[in-house]
Amino acid sequence: DGGITQSPKYLFRKEGQNVTLSCEQNLNHDAMYWYRQDPGQGLRLIYYSQIVNDFQKGDIAEGYSVSREKKESFPLTVTSAQKNPTAFYLCASRSGRAGYHEQFFGPGTRLTVL
Amino acid sequence: AQTVTQSQPEMSVQEAETVTLSCTYDTSESDYYLFWYKQPPSRQMILVIRQEAYKQQNATENRFSVNFQKAAKSFSLKISDSQLGDAAMYFCAYRSSRGGATNKLIFGTGTLLAVQP
Repeated sequence: DGGITQSPKYLFRKEGQNVTLSCEQNLNHDAMYWYRQDPGQGLRLIYYSQIVNDFQKGDIAEGYSVSREKKESFPLTVTSAQKNPTAFYLCASRSGRAGYHEQFFGPGTRLTVL
Repeated sequence: AQTVTQSQPEMSVQEAETVTLSCTYDTSESDYYLFWYKQPPSRQMILVIRQEAYKQQNATENRFSVNFQKAAKSFSLKISDSQLGDAAMYFCAYRSSRGGATNKLIFGTGTLLAVQP
């Protein structure tokens, strides 16, 4: 079955540590996105990538980094510079084909800083 | 900058009844896409329905339909014959038709829908 997987489902981090959240898709989608969700708020865009080896900052990129070495994979690193990293993180992808506009989401990773 | 507003933080509906969730947006663009996503307790975001701004006909997907009023910048979601499985957070989202940096989804703050048996 095609889809988007994120791991781990739950992640605990000590202050000062970097952690990496995994996002993999087998939908052959060109574009991939990382969103952050906080209680009472909608999703906010962290980073996005439209093609391999290229990515752009979203609205709240500070304290985060990404890579896009393969079409299928778009890992997100939450660095120690991110002041308030506890949140729910969602990865999404979208086909680059004409007429395909919706984004499909993975199941998410809940990150908690201890 | 575009914004999306959902003015109903919570809504409740009786099973088998109909409920309408409101969404308004602000944009200066004429071509764009609008979406409703559902986030159940599992927190998986699921696409419910989409609407292209250039289409006058309102989109429908089974029990879900929209009332798209372009001039009023309004995009409400109607759920007919509500089921217990419809209980979830519902997000309205906007996406520009342009590429590049404007390719992102802009989300409202969500409406939490409860379905009463």
